Amino acid sequence: EDKVVQSPLSLVVHEGDTVTLNCSYEVTNFRSLLWYKQEKKAPTFLFMLTSSGIEKKSGRLSSILDKKELFSILNITATQTGDSAVYLCAVYTGTASKLTFGTGTRLQVTL
Amino acid sequence: KAGVTQTPRYLIKTRGQQVTLSCSPISGHRSVSWYQQTPGQGLQFLFEYFSETQRNKGNFPGRFSGRQFSNSRSEMNVSTLELGDSALYLCASSFARLSDTGELFFGEGSRLTVL
Repeated sequence: EDKVVQSPLSLVVHEGDTVTLNCSYEVTNFRSLLWYKQEKKAPTFLFMLTSSGIEKKSGRLSSILDKKELFSILNITATQTGDSAVYLCAVYTGTASKLTFGTGTRLQVTL
Repeated sequence: KAGVTQTPRYLIKTRGQQVTLSCSPISGHRSVSWYQQTPGQGLQFLFEYFSETQRNKGNFPGRFSGRQFSNSRSEMNVSTLELGDSALYLCASSFARLSDTGELFFGEGSRLTVL
């Protein structure tokens, strides 16, 4: 059975800190790994990663995939209160044509 | 263009009742997937519909069913509701069957409370 595990489950940081969120996976027929941000209801897409070692960046957020060790990290630098959300990692497997999600990391950024 | 629209946004039912949730995908999107989100289990895949056919189904009992119409709009139905069915039900659409991008566009969800 496909499995995606995220850590930590939650964390609280001060504005300006840098955080690293982790996602490990065990799936068959890996196609891609995706990161979503969920603030209230609808998860919104952040990144899709398919190749090892290639960093994706968007402003203060960046992510990288290690297909050999089966994990990905999401980095957020200079955190802001608006970064407070649940960050979801999901893996797309071509066989089942579905996304398998981790349970998420709840990030709270305080002033 | 308009995003994924789900109705109703909130509803309260009692055990044993049934419920129907509706999802209108982004215009031009042909694939609709449904996910159940609970605090303990996270997002769990329910089913995917493409061109009015169920293409894939998650590990949920037969009380959970769905369908897709010719205009790509989708409904899901839960019969004989149980307390454990209380959850946020998220609909997501994509242009084709989950492609190499695996990118989904989510609606804001329907929050179901079963008393």
